[in-house]
Amino acid sequence: QQPVQSPQAVILREGEDAVINCSSSKALYSVHWYRQKHGEAPVFLMILLKGGEQKGHEKISASFNEKKQQSSLYLTASQLSYSGTYFCGTVDQTGANNLFFGTGTRLTVIP
Amino acid sequence: DTEVTQTPKHLVMGMTNKKSLKCEQHMGHRAMYWYKQKAKKPPELMFVYSYEKLSINESVPSRFSPECPNSSLLNLHLHALQPEDSALYLCASSQDWGGFFLNTEAFFGQGTRLTVV
Repeated sequence: QQPVQSPQAVILREGEDAVINCSSSKALYSVHWYRQKHGEAPVFLMILLKGGEQKGHEKISASFNEKKQQSSLYLTASQLSYSGTYFCGTVDQTGANNLFFGTGTRLTVIP
Repeated sequence: DTEVTQTPKHLVMGMTNKKSLKCEQHMGHRAMYWYKQKAKKPPELMFVYSYEKLSINESVPSRFSPECPNSSLLNLHLHALQPEDSALYLCASSQDWGGFFLNTEAFFGQGTRLTVV
């Protein structure tokens, strides 16, 4: 059931942009995005709901292709603080209150 | 108060011990979750409680026993664990939006780092 993310890891210089992709084999109700720094709890970034509603942060955007069960997270003008591991979390359409995390993308921003 | 508080932060236990992990939130959330996270891996869903009732058990071994005594508190009772159960255990909670608990963000606690020796 685990969604697959790509790339597995990426290194950016400050100011560069990045795209992280998430793909599920199940029909999805919503997609969450979280960032986790080493030794810390996952922190919410963005949620995309079936039907197009988005809730999240100003400097981060995302898309959700419901037909393909895919989502992408767009990080623009990266800052050092963006470093961490990014996880998508998917909720499928069975109606169950589950949240399954993707395989993760390790993002490192260097000066 | 937008915090999920987990105690203890660190726990070392022997394979014959019985211990409990505690999770507390005072945001009025009616869904609470336990996740297990091994190093450099994503969190794995273990249990989901909604309105104090167990709604999801992701085929977790019986040596892990969850309990939700009230709407603010979630426990995970541990007994006869194996060294491979060593991991970070995360608790999360989310709000009910018309019967769906995940229309908005899940709030995570800082986790309990468990070592089984």
